[in-house]
Amino acid sequence: ETGVTQSPTHLIKTRGQQVTLRCSSQSGHNTVSWYQQALGQGPQFIFQYYREEENGRGNFPPRFSGLQFPNYSSELNVNALELDDSALYLCASSWGDRGLGYGYTFGSGTRLTVV
Amino acid sequence: GDSVTQMEGPVTLSEEAFLTINCTYTATGYPSLFWYVQYPGEGLQLLLKATKADDKGSNKGFEATYRKETTSFHLEKGSVQVSDSAVYFCALSTSAGGTSYGKLTFGQGTILTVHP
Repeated sequence: ETGVTQSPTHLIKTRGQQVTLRCSSQSGHNTVSWYQQALGQGPQFIFQYYREEENGRGNFPPRFSGLQFPNYSSELNVNALELDDSALYLCASSWGDRGLGYGYTFGSGTRLTVV
Repeated sequence: GDSVTQMEGPVTLSEEAFLTINCTYTATGYPSLFWYVQYPGEGLQLLLKATKADDKGSNKGFEATYRKETTSFHLEKGSVQVSDSAVYFCALSTSAGGTSYGKLTFGQGTILTVHP
């Protein structure tokens, strides 16, 4: 059983640019959630995708957007990057639209640095 | 809204010492409670969970009891090892309040360092 795979592992972007982060969910999982973890902080929920549609969103502006594909993999897109977007971005997959925490498998994350 | 508060860190202990990391929460509805652990350079791993009041979650010698009356979920271990050095996150999840999805709300994390 494969776990959650995220790519790339590290990324450096310039303020104002756009970035796409990718996530392959664990086999058998059909729901993907994205979290932002700033340095020294706990992860913050960005949004969740279930059956290729966004079905929940945290307190993040519209320039954070996502996609889920028929194979349940997912992308996180961030437009007009700001310095404060520098963080570890975590993807978590689960089965079903609720997950309730214990069903989540987390990837190792993508470290984004905005300069 | 939902929130989780963890004790301030970092926590530094000698091997075989007793560990307590405090966690309190505020939530609408009836949350499930979790402890996650993050080792350097890795994602989050579920350490233990409890889904109703008075439940005790346990794993790898760690324990935490869901206390509804004090809205707490403190993490304990009787004898820590060097390999327990990591960041520990308390979290809650609820699909109440009209949401149709489950999301995790995390505390700020507590860094644990165990010396030989």
